[in-house]
Amino acid sequence: DTEVTQTPKHLVMGMTNKKSLKCEQHMGHRAMYWYKQKAKKPPELMFVYSYEKLSINESVPSRFSPECPNSSLLNLHLHALQPEDSALYLCASSQEGRSNQPQHFGDGTRLSIL
Amino acid sequence: DAKTTQPNSMESNEEEPVHLPCNHSTISGTDYIHWYRQLPSQGPEYVIHGLTSNVNNRMASLAIAEDRKSSTLILHRATLRDAAVYYCILSFFGAGGATNKLIFGTGTLLAVQP
Repeated sequence: DTEVTQTPKHLVMGMTNKKSLKCEQHMGHRAMYWYKQKAKKPPELMFVYSYEKLSINESVPSRFSPECPNSSLLNLHLHALQPEDSALYLCASSQEGRSNQPQHFGDGTRLSIL
Repeated sequence: DAKTTQPNSMESNEEEPVHLPCNHSTISGTDYIHWYRQLPSQGPEYVIHGLTSNVNNRMASLAIAEDRKSSTLILHRATLRDAAVYYCILSFFGAGGATNKLIFGTGTLLAVQP
């Protein structure tokens, strides 16, 4: 069992829908991350939050909108996605976001865009 | 961002040691070397990390070359559960904020034969 919980595990949505992915951790970590992983490819960093503030946006299209309402919770709001956005979306957290601190990953939300 | 090079795949026999190599010739003095692994249908799992000295933990050992241009992850006795993609990643160290960007390479797919 992972200490980072992602819901839902699977999501199918149409291109005009609005949905949200949720990520929760109760380890007291102050840095949280979103990654995208296409099939048979490595994870790619999308966003980093540090102390509830957006720290890094890796030039992600605006149809992906992250939100960090508190230190335990990270959301990814989805709107008007394209079929190529179908992927596994992974959330991770680390103690403070320093490079000598391990990241703890959830098992992801598998997203399919129809 | 500094890059890493790993073999695409390796095979091992159960209960034998496994040495997974990684080259990182452009590493800078403040880059940490991290190893993560990803089992099928799961998020990445932290294995070990180090800066200059060799490191041991309950999962594995990390041997770092003196010039830091390469490293080796050592699994002392491979089990079937160790079959996964192993990622060697360099993580930049910076002062303050979230600078822990994990840039995943393509990784090594480890197969373990019974």
